[in-house]
Amino acid sequence: AQSVAQPEDQVNVAEGNPLTVKCTYSVSGNPYLFWYVQYPNRGLQFLLKYITGDNLVKGSYGFEAEFNKSQTSFHLKKPSALVSDSALYFCAVRDLNSGGYQKVTFGTGTKLQVIP
Amino acid sequence: EAQVTQNPRYLITVTGKKLTVTCSQNMNHEYMSWYRQDPGLGLRQIYYSMNVEVTDKGDVPEGYKVSRKEKRNFPLILESPSPNQTSLYFCASRSQGDPWNEQYFGPGTRLTVT
Repeated sequence: AQSVAQPEDQVNVAEGNPLTVKCTYSVSGNPYLFWYVQYPNRGLQFLLKYITGDNLVKGSYGFEAEFNKSQTSFHLKKPSALVSDSALYFCAVRDLNSGGYQKVTFGTGTKLQVIP
Repeated sequence: EAQVTQNPRYLITVTGKKLTVTCSQNMNHEYMSWYRQDPGLGLRQIYYSMNVEVTDKGDVPEGYKVSRKEKRNFPLILESPSPNQTSLYFCASRSQGDPWNEQYFGPGTRLTVT
């Protein structure tokens, strides 16, 4: 069975500092990995995804994520945090071995608080 | 504009009173899902549909029903709601084509069952 772990419930970072939101995964085959962001009172929005190839994936709003196969991690990063980045972030994994629907499993979410 | 819509956005009801939350997408997506979001538990899939008249249970289907009579609509039905179904619900859709296609989410429905 596939699973995703986001070990930090909340991450606090000062505006202008780099940020990292951690994610580790477990799948039986090759993973497709996603990051979504949820702003208050909004639905989830897609940020970026890892399919194959380059281990550094670039996405929306200046975010990027680093895929590390040996550590089974897919950490979300941004070089310089903005107050407007404050939101709830979800990591998700899709396992091709999970059948026709290719089920997506979400992590529990990490609240990012950027302090002015 | 490509979007997933849900109605209502907020709903307060009483135990046992049947309700339906509607979901509609305008992207001609084959796949649609319902999730519930609870603090500390993340998003858990309730039901999903791979196309019209094709639905299946997700991780937490107890107490819910769905139907998919039209490609664009995927309503969630709670025939006898209970307080443990108080939650934030999201509908999502994605294209069937590639397995790495991302999902598009609706704005959410906050349900309170008293």
